[in-house]
Amino acid sequence: GEDVEQSLFLSVREGDSSVINCTYTDSSSTYLYWYKQEPGAGLQLLTYIFSNMDMKQDQRLTVLLNKKDKHLSLRIADTQTGDSAIYFCAEPMEYGNKLVFGAGTILRVKS
Amino acid sequence: DTGVSQNPRHKITKRGQNVTFRCDPISEHNRLYWYRQTLGQGPEFLTYFQNEAQLEKSRLLSDRFSAERPKGSFSTLEIQRTEQGDSAMYLCASSLAGLGGGGTEAFFGQGTRLTVV
Repeated sequence: GEDVEQSLFLSVREGDSSVINCTYTDSSSTYLYWYKQEPGAGLQLLTYIFSNMDMKQDQRLTVLLNKKDKHLSLRIADTQTGDSAIYFCAEPMEYGNKLVFGAGTILRVKS
Repeated sequence: DTGVSQNPRHKITKRGQNVTFRCDPISEHNRLYWYRQTLGQGPEFLTYFQNEAQLEKSRLLSDRFSAERPKGSFSTLEIQRTEQGDSAMYLCASSLAGLGGGGTEAFFGQGTRLTVV
């Protein structure tokens, strides 16, 4: 099927690390993506990882990929109140002709 | 280039009316995608264009929906005889090429929020 699954909600304190998890379906996916959506806004591409990598770090963001388990995670270090948003993981399907998204993880950061 | 632009940002319409949304992609991008997002869900694929050719349509795209990209630049999405179930955020995205291959990133617009009353 085309189900990309994510945990629905995460609450952390400002300054802590956040870890958002995702499981995807297509083991042949070449790239996997993380998007951020703030209230009432469109999707902002945060980062992506190529499938031959286990880890990618980009400033406060760390993406971990476990291809065997089809598991993707996004770690946000030193989480700030501005990080409060919905985070979506997505994988390309049908030879890259579309992205399939999870339902999103709501991240709430408490100050 | 300021990114993907969508108009209008918000649209309220009465049931049964027709509505049209516009998307201006990033100028050099060949691929253009339409998605629909309902509350509490991730975006769902509707259709995509490679230049002016519409190459795939989702089952979600009923006969009341039509999308065009006449010159391979901007695109329009029209919904005829709107129903309350059409209320959603309609998102447009563009990419340089097919995702996962030569094109690695899809960039989204701010969306058009449709409310059918």
